[in-house]
Amino acid sequence: EPEVTQTPSHQVTQMGQEVILRCVPISNHLYFYWYRQILGQKVEFLVSFYNNEISEKSEIFDDQFSVERPDGSNFTLKIRSTKLEDSAMYFCASTLGTHNQPQHFGDGTRLSIL
Amino acid sequence: QKEVEQNSGPLSVPEGAIASLNCTYSDRGSQSFFWYRQYSGKSPELIMFIYSNGDKEDGRFTAQLNKASQYVSLLIRDSQPSDSATYLCAVNEGRTGNQFYFGTGTSLTVIP
Repeated sequence: EPEVTQTPSHQVTQMGQEVILRCVPISNHLYFYWYRQILGQKVEFLVSFYNNEISEKSEIFDDQFSVERPDGSNFTLKIRSTKLEDSAMYFCASTLGTHNQPQHFGDGTRLSIL
Repeated sequence: QKEVEQNSGPLSVPEGAIASLNCTYSDRGSQSFFWYRQYSGKSPELIMFIYSNGDKEDGRFTAQLNKASQYVSLLIRDSQPSDSATYLCAVNEGRTGNQFYFGTGTSLTVIP
């Protein structure tokens, strides 16, 4: 069964540094998402992406965050200047269609900010 | 921001019993409702999705939706110890409907 693939599985970064989290969505999927989950807390929506532009974003997704689909297969989340509170598990998801399609999640990237 | 509420539990049921998980949501414009299972340290795994009022059954799982009451539930029949996990309710919102909000999850333990 096709999978959403995320790399790396664990990223450790110094506060203030830039980090890029990578995702390869399922190949025929058209809608892509990033979520984060701080340890012990709920899954939080960050952004949805369709047709090479942001579809929706939450209040969390401020100017330090950006997303890109650089080459037709990868979908990346960049955090420009990381803060301690950015430490979380980041999940990528993709769907074939819009909101009425189930999302397939990757295994996540654990981001640790020191 | 709209809210998705779940009883955090923990909910304990004996093996073979029915587990009932509940979720309420605040955005009347929401159209799509999802139940995910999340094991500790793992990513959410889709269990069921429902869009229309009423019941939807898939194996041991039944999702129930009542849009008038803004309520969605998940029933797990013949609960197994492997069903022990946190169950997440997710609801779509936003201008395009392409924004999703999760509840805090209900922790379920099935006792052998």
